[in-house]
Amino acid sequence: GQQVMQIPQYQHVQEGEDFTTYCNSSTTLSNIQWYKQRPGGHPVFLIQLVKSGEVKKQKRLTFQFGEAKKNSSLHITATQTTDVGTYFCAEVQAGTALIFGKGTTLSVSS
Amino acid sequence: DTAVSQTPKYLVTQMGNDKSIKCEQNLGHDTMYWYKQDSKKFLKIMFSYNNKELIINETVPNRFSPKSPDKAHLNLHINSLELGDSAVYFCASRKEGNSYNSPLHFGNGTRLTVT
Repeated sequence: GQQVMQIPQYQHVQEGEDFTTYCNSSTTLSNIQWYKQRPGGHPVFLIQLVKSGEVKKQKRLTFQFGEAKKNSSLHITATQTTDVGTYFCAEVQAGTALIFGKGTTLSVSS
Repeated sequence: DTAVSQTPKYLVTQMGNDKSIKCEQNLGHDTMYWYKQDSKKFLKIMFSYNNKELIINETVPNRFSPKSPDKAHLNLHINSLELGDSAVYFCASRKEGNSYNSPLHFGNGTRLTVT
């Protein structure tokens, strides 16, 4: 079935550098959700984007939904060691299924 | 209070055995799910139940059988375990309504190791 493509799969940054992960779909998304999974933990909901061109911020995190609603991004400004983990985008498909991208695993060195 | 709880947290067993994982949510949600996360962290949906009824059954071997005695519980029984079943299994729940926009709440996961 349809799946959002997420890149990069891995990203290593120095503390203080910025980080961005991208999700792309070949079809229009009704909405997109973002989750964070800390090492050894479970995915935790961060945010949902619904409107075309929507931008939402949570402290150092900026989430964007593309104008065509086919892509989304999560940008972290000035990463900290607490940002370490895997970030997933997820789309809702018919039948209530939430289908996840493959995730971007972020590592941060101090 | 734990919202979505799974037991056990770790499960080590031998090939060919049968095992169960239990999940309970106290959020009053309508829909519950099982996801499998492999070693590459890919989260794949396995099953979805809404008010005890099976909604989604992805391409999963029929050795996996979900059971929902009530809408607060969704258990996963696995027969004849194989090495490839080793993974982390997450239970999750969500409140359904007029839209599908509510977030998923995940349990802490069950790490299954088949030897």
